[in-house]
Parts: sequence; C-alpha cells; structure tokens
Amino acid sequence: EPEVTQTPSHQVTQMGQEVILRCVPISNHLYFYWYRQILGQKVEFLVSFYNNEISEKSEIFDDQFSVERPDGSNFTLKIRSTKLEDSAMYFCASSATGGSSPLHFGNGTRLTVT
Amino acid sequence: DQQVKQNSPSLSVQEGRISILNCDYTNSMFDYFLWYKKYPAEGPTFLISISSIKDKNEDGRFTVFLNKSAKHLSLHIVPSQPGDSAVYFCAASFLNYGGSQGNLIFGKGTKLSVKP
Repeated sequence: EPEVTQTPSHQVTQMGQEVILRCVPISNHLYFYWYRQILGQKVEFLVSFYNNEISEKSEIFDDQFSVERPDGSNFTLKIRSTKLEDSAMYFCASSATGGSSPLHFGNGTRLTVT
Repeated sequence: DQQVKQNSPSLSVQEGRISILNCDYTNSMFDYFLWYKKYPAEGPTFLISISSIKDKNEDGRFTVFLNKSAKHLSLHIVPSQPGDSAVYFCAASFLNYGGSQGNLIFGKGTKLSVKP
C-alpha cells in the first residue's frame, strides 16, 4: 500500500537554527498537510496545501513556519528560527481529494530543539 | 481549548469482547467525525468516519455511533483482538462550513489494551 514517508525520523537542532522537515506524500494525492504533537498533548493541525498554495493554516503556523512543494514529489516544512517550544513530533499527511477523503499520515519526524 | 474530548486515557478489554471508546465534542458546527488508530513510532491511521447526517457507520469489526443531541460519538470494536491494542484518536472537522476535512481537531486519545 502506498505510504507517506518522512525524513529524518529524528532531528536535533539548536535554538535559533533553521530546520527543514521533509515529506514525500502519496504520489497521486493532491492535498498535503502538516500536523504536530507536543509530548503528552493533542495532535494539532498546522497547515494545508493545495495547488501550490496554502489553503488553510492554524494560529500555530506563524511567520516562522513555511511550506513548499519544491518539485513533483516532496513537501517540506521549514521552521526559520527554532524555539524550545517547537520540540514536537511533526506529522505530514496527504489526501487524494479534499472533502471527506481520509488523510494518510507519515510516521513523523521527532524534532528536538536544545 | 477542549472542543473534542476523550475522557478515558486508557481502556483494557479481554480478547473477543467488545471495546467501546467514547468521545464528546462541544462545537455543534462539527459535521464530520473520524477515528484514527496509532501504534507507537507510527503516524495515525484512518479507521472509520461518519457524517453528521448519519447516526451509524459500520466497517467490518468497527462501528461508529453518533448522537448529535448529546454531542457524543463512540467507536465499537467487536470482537476485540490483541492487534487492536493502540491509541485511538477521535477527530472532528467543519467539512460543510467552508473548512476542509484536512483541518482536523483531535482528542487526546484513549490507549486500548486488548489482553489475550
């Protein structure tokens, strides 16, 4: 079964550094998402992306965050200047269409900011 | 902000019996509900969903019930199997109110343990 793949599985970075989290969505999917889960807390929506632009974003997704689909297969999340509170598990997801098409999640990247 | 609540952090059930996982929500504008399952070191996996125009949806061993007046939904797994042991997340969205199914509001999850 096709999968959403995320790299790296674990990223350690120093506060203030830029970090890029990478995702390869399922190949025929059109909608892409980033979620995060801080340890012990809920999975939270960050952003959705369709047709090469952001379609929706949460309050968490401030100017420090950006997303990009640099080519036909990758989908990236960039955090410009990481803070300690950015430490979390970041999940990429994709869906075939919008509407009620279910989201398929990757296994996540654990980001640790020291 | 607790729009979607799963009040039981854990549930233990004997193999072969029914597992019932509960979820409450506060926002009556939610119109689409989903259950996801998550194993350690993996991402959430979609299980089953229900639109607010229905009160029941069934898929094999999994049935989701929606009680709109009580703002409550439940996931029934019968019979439960040891492989069902995982964390189960309830999620809701505003599908028909200008939102998308992709902006999901998750509960905190319930850890199900199915004992052989």
